[in-house]
Amino acid sequence: DSGVTQTPKHLITATGQRVTLRCSPRSGDLSVYWYQQSLDQGLQFLIQYYNGEERAKGNILERFSAQQFPDLHSELNLSSLELGDSALYFCASSETSGYTGELFFGEGSRLTVL
Amino acid sequence: AQRVTQPEKLLSVFKGAPVELKCNYSYSGSPELFWYVQYSRQRLQLLLRHISRESIKGFTADLNKGETSFHLKKPFAQEEDSAMYYCALSGGSYIPTFGRGTSLIVHP
Repeated sequence: DSGVTQTPKHLITATGQRVTLRCSPRSGDLSVYWYQQSLDQGLQFLIQYYNGEERAKGNILERFSAQQFPDLHSELNLSSLELGDSALYFCASSETSGYTGELFFGEGSRLTVL
Repeated sequence: AQRVTQPEKLLSVFKGAPVELKCNYSYSGSPELFWYVQYSRQRLQLLLRHISRESIKGFTADLNKGETSFHLKKPFAQEEDSAMYYCALSGGSYIPTFGRGTSLIVHP
């Protein structure tokens, strides 16, 4: 499957802990986006990387960080977790650095903080 | 700042009835509008985009710049249309922005 893959699919952890979510973009796509989907909040943009460089930042908390590696996979690090961080985290990829065209989504990583 | 508003969280219709999922946007410039759909246990995927001006699975959407709307329509809903629908906007220097989504339920 050459689509966007995200791991883990589900993650349960405790408050104060740190987790890492991983995303591999579609083959050939250089841009990776991270979105957070909380109950009733829709998709909230967190951050975008293009070819290893941070391109745009949304409402991403300081406790959260991300990076894109030379093989273009990306990781989203969430630390000092709070109950409110429980959400579905989506990764999406696209071909270009620009903001036109289709986004291709992964299946998401569901994080539950207890 | 750009914004996408989907006023309905839930839309419930019977099979064969017309469907209209509303989407309004605010944007300075020439927007690119999309509808994405998420069927149960599937990933979010593109349904259609305004520049294509095509009908996908019987759905159409027309960009109305005067009303800043991009409503999604289908004349006769089918049970398999039940899903979560997201309106999205992007273009220029603005990152893709999504509405909160509308859950469409089509009853038999």
